[in-house]
Amino acid sequence: GAVVSQHPSRVICKSGTSVKIECRSLDFQATTMFWYRQFPKQSLMLMATSNEGSKATYEQGVEKDKFLINHASLTLSTLTVTSAHPEDSSFYICSAIGSGTSGINEQFFGPGTRLTVL
Amino acid sequence: AQKITQTQPGMFVQEKEAVTLDCTYDTSDPSYGLFWYKQPSSGEMIFLIYQGSYDQQNATEGRYSLNFQKARKSANLVISASQLGDSAMYFCAMREGRPFSGGYNKLIFGAGTRLAVHP
Repeated sequence: GAVVSQHPSRVICKSGTSVKIECRSLDFQATTMFWYRQFPKQSLMLMATSNEGSKATYEQGVEKDKFLINHASLTLSTLTVTSAHPEDSSFYICSAIGSGTSGINEQFFGPGTRLTVL
Repeated sequence: AQKITQTQPGMFVQEKEAVTLDCTYDTSDPSYGLFWYKQPSSGEMIFLIYQGSYDQQNATEGRYSLNFQKARKSANLVISASQLGDSAMYFCAMREGRPFSGGYNKLIFGAGTRLAVHP
């Protein structure tokens, strides 16, 4: 199946700094990517839909100035957590739409990035 | 109202036994898709199985099958012959709407069920 990578896999930063997370579709082009966050022992919550060449669509309650999303190419979307605080510590997962073996458009997920803000 | 409900926070099953993970959903859209994902402790989301709202037959993928009861709005995952490697979190998810419609491909996830397979 299609492969989505994320970098870094783990990041620890000081409060007040900004962190950029990259999401790449390795063997296919993705016009749409999604960003999720997952707190420990909880489900995935959609943060935003990232569309190549246009502004991201944020879910209700997600601060767009806090979580900057840039989808500059068909294989790369970035999420920047600006002025990170300890409450931003979470597991961030991206996904990209591709054609799977099931014959339907699937979301292929990256391996996730664990952000810890001290 | 929650769109996807998984009522079992945790389940235990003996190795080689079958197990059913429950999922109910709520939508007024006649076109939707239902997904099951597995998330091991490493965190990656692994696609298991898909059921379309217009599919006449229950989906099957190897040891995974989806018990789709449309009138009851349930889409339970059945894992046959459980293996130790099946121990993980399992998420049910729904996608609403038709292709090219606004918001299509957005997945709404349930709270998840943690499955533990015992030897």
